[in-house]
Amino acid sequence: GNSVTQMEGPVTLSEEAFLTINCTYTATGYPSLFWYVQYPGEGLQLLLKATKADDKGSNKGFEATYRKETTSFHLEKGSVQVSDSAVYFCALSHNQAGTALIFGKGTTLSVSS
Amino acid sequence: IAGITQAPTSQILAAGRRMTLRCTQDMRHNAMYWYRQDLGLGLRLIHYSNTAGTTGKGEVPDGYSVSRANTDDFPLTLASAVPSQTSVYFCASSATANTEAFFGQGTRLTVV
Repeated sequence: GNSVTQMEGPVTLSEEAFLTINCTYTATGYPSLFWYVQYPGEGLQLLLKATKADDKGSNKGFEATYRKETTSFHLEKGSVQVSDSAVYFCALSHNQAGTALIFGKGTTLSVSS
Repeated sequence: IAGITQAPTSQILAAGRRMTLRCTQDMRHNAMYWYRQDLGLGLRLIHYSNTAGTTGKGEVPDGYSVSRANTDDFPLTLASAVPSQTSVYFCASSATANTEAFFGQGTRLTVV
C-alpha cells in the first residue's frame, strides 16, 4: 500500500544552519507530495507541494523536489530561524477516488539562537 | 476568514460517555476528513467523506462514526468513549479527494 517514511527527530540546529529532513514514499503511479508544518498548539498548515516528477515546491525559504527515481521528497532550507521550530510532516495523495492524505510520523525541528 | 472550525477546543470525558466532535467548513470543499494525532504515530485517518452523502473508513475507524448530511458539516461521534481514544483530533477538508487539505485547529480529547 501507499506509505510515507520520514526521518525521525528531533532535529536540533543553531540559527542559520542548513536543514534537511528526509522523506521517502511508496506508492503506485504518480502521487502528489506535500510538506505540512505544525506550530505548537496549532493545526497543520500546507508548506509546499509538488504534483509531478521533477517539480520543485518552495515557500518561505523551504524547498523540496519530487524525485521519482529515488521516490523521495526531501525538505531543505538554507538558513533556519528560531521561528522555524515546529513539527514537519511529509504526506502523499494518490490520484484515486476515495483516498486521503497519507502522512509520515512527523519530524520535530528545534532551532536555537 | 474562510476555513475550518472545530468544537470543542478541548474536552475531558468520562469513559463510556457519548461525544460528538463538530467540524464545519465554509470553503465548499467536497472532501472532508477526520484524523487523530498521537505522539510517535503521526496522523492517522479515522473516516473520510469524498462528497456529501458518502463516507468511508480510514486506517483506525473502530469506535467512531461519522455522517455527512451536507457539504459543510462533518461530525465525528464516539459512541462509548474509552481511554485509548484520548488524542488530538483534527478535521480537514480538500476541494477534491487528491488535492491539498486544510486543517482545523484541533480538539484535544481526554477520556478518563
